[in-house]
Amino acid sequence: DIQMTQSPSSVSASVGDRVTITCRASQDISIWLAWYQQKPGKAPNLLIYSASNLQTGVPSRFSGSGSGTYFTLTINSLQPEDFATYYCQQANDFPHTFGGGTKVEI
Amino acid sequence: EVQLVESGGDFVQPGGSLRLSCAASGFTFSSYEMIWVRQAPGKGLEWVSYINRGGDIIYYADSVTGRFIISRDDAQNSLYLQMSSLRVEDTAVYYCARRHSRFGGVWGQGTMVTVSS
Repeated sequence: DIQMTQSPSSVSASVGDRVTITCRASQDISIWLAWYQQKPGKAPNLLIYSASNLQTGVPSRFSGSGSGTYFTLTINSLQPEDFATYYCQQANDFPHTFGGGTKVEI
Repeated sequence: EVQLVESGGDFVQPGGSLRLSCAASGFTFSSYEMIWVRQAPGKGLEWVSYINRGGDIIYYADSVTGRFIISRDDAQNSLYLQMSSLRVEDTAVYYCARRHSRFGGVWGQGTMVTVSS
């Protein structure tokens, strides 16, 4: 199975900050990577798919980049509603494994 | 409105069985691939299973292979997860999701499965 490693596991930030989260795959996954946001007690919400495509309705302050084994999620000008946990997921090979998550907190 | 509603979660003893359902509405269910994802209390997301549009291509996580069966009934606009030989480590919120470009684009609210003696 492909292992997905996210870092950091948590990050403290303030409103207006720029936050970058990284995700590394244990093997080449091309562009088959997604980023999700999850708030407590809620289902995950797809933010970015195919490494850099912004899902409809997601604010443009979210962006994704990367290919192969290294990917990043950047949140520009962090807003109060962005404090949440973020997960990456690969969809190159089954099983479509998730990273361990990154909690963005104040 | 596109909607997925899971049901069937319950408290069950180790070794028991449970069938989860996911009712779809607001879209043409038969046109979409579907998945199940779970989340143990306080833990991260774990991909569980995939089914294609025809129901003839299926994949499972190693942790559930041989114990869980995914299926779909397009006439009923429903997705199912038959779970047997349940273990304590299967305790989790189970989400169904509609695929979007290989990923989980639309999610249900989840249903809780608790396996305990």
